[in-house]
Amino acid sequence: QITLKESGPTLVKPTQTLTLTCTFSGFSLDTSGAGVVWIRQPPGKALEWLALIYWDDDKRYSPSLKSRLTITKDTSKNRVVLTMTNMDPEDTATYFCAHFISGYFDHWGQGTLVTVSS
Amino acid sequence: EIVMTQSPATLSVSPGERATLSCRASQSVTSKIAWYQQKPGQAPRLLIYGASTRATGIPARFSGSGAGTEFTLTISGLQSEDFAVYYCQQYKNWPPVTFGQGTKLEIE
Repeated sequence: QITLKESGPTLVKPTQTLTLTCTFSGFSLDTSGAGVVWIRQPPGKALEWLALIYWDDDKRYSPSLKSRLTITKDTSKNRVVLTMTNMDPEDTATYFCAHFISGYFDHWGQGTLVTVSS
Repeated sequence: EIVMTQSPATLSVSPGERATLSCRASQSVTSKIAWYQQKPGQAPRLLIYGASTRATGIPARFSGSGAGTEFTLTISGLQSEDFAVYYCQQYKNWPPVTFGQGTKLEIE
């Protein structure tokens, strides 16, 4: 059974760096084909894909946010970390991590709401 | 970037009836489209991938069709738990993976 859970701060100030952790179980990120993504959703709005990390450490980023994002993995701890620099109130959203399989996302974490405010 | 456009934004249907949700891609995505259901306060749930393959555990009343740029999600015999927001997502050309803006299915 695959499960994922996001953790991190609920409130960050503008210009700060956000660090979110996705802790997962039920699969290994050193298995060929495995991947974990981050997706966000501003309140009342649609889903926005942010970043993906593959089992082989290949990384992909949203072109519009690439300069601000870094995704890393710790395979031994079954964790994926996303950092986003220079946070802005427009980055207020629920951030989800999800299991990636062949282009779509079959298991999701519950999400964590991050508010950007001074 | 491939733009996914869903219609209508809101769909009102009575329980027991059929709902038809549409998704259009700005260029061909062949059959590389997924559909998700999202209820308030919850994460999205994968319903359909490959345009027409139901994900594990998804009831047969959910069906997907289409190819190229035009796709449809059909829900037959609507049940109370089906009223939610539905998103389509393309994975033909990425990054970025792109989602539609969603269709809210509400009780008429």
